[in-house]
Amino acid sequence: DIQMTQSPSSVSASVGDRVTITCRASQGISSWLAWYQQKPGKAPKLLIYAASSLQSGVPSRFSGSGSGTDFTLTISSLQPEDFATYYCQQANTFPPFTFGPGTKVDIK
Amino acid sequence: EVQLEESGGGLVQPGGSLRLSCAVSGFISTDYWMTWVRQAPGKGLEWVANINQDGSDKYYVDSVRGRFTMSRDNAKNSLYLQMNSLRAEDTALYYCARNRRLSGMDVWGQGTTVTVSS
Repeated sequence: DIQMTQSPSSVSASVGDRVTITCRASQGISSWLAWYQQKPGKAPKLLIYAASSLQSGVPSRFSGSGSGTDFTLTISSLQPEDFATYYCQQANTFPPFTFGPGTKVDIK
Repeated sequence: EVQLEESGGGLVQPGGSLRLSCAVSGFISTDYWMTWVRQAPGKGLEWVANINQDGSDKYYVDSVRGRFTMSRDNAKNSLYLQMNSLRAEDTALYYCARNRRLSGMDVWGQGTTVTVSS
């Protein structure tokens, strides 16, 4: 099975900051990586698919990059509504559709 | 409106069974793979099971294979997760999601809670 890791596990940031989250796959997954945002008590929300494609309706301050084993999610200017937990998920090889352990973005 | 609505969760004793349902509306469910994802209290997301468009292919995480069965009734626009031999570690919020396979899970329900405890 492909294992997914994320770093950092948590990050404290201020409104307006640029935030970068890294996701690494244990083996190459081409560009088949998705990013999700989850707020407390809410279902996950798809932000990015195919590593860098922005899901419809998602603000352009979110961007994704990477291929192979290393990927990043960048929030260019953190907004109050962006404080949440972010998960990566590989879609290249299944089962399983593995999720990363999550990165919590909270207020500095 | 594209929507998924889970139901069927509850409190069950270890070794017991539950059947979760997911009602699909606002899109043609036969066009998509569908997925169950769970989240234990305070923990991350865990993919549980997947089913293809016509129900002929099903995949499960190792920890539930042989105990859980995913199915779909396209005529009723519904998905199901039959959970048998439940264990304490199956306690979680269970989400159903529309799975675009390589392009991520783009529609999620609000989840239904399963608690396995004596």
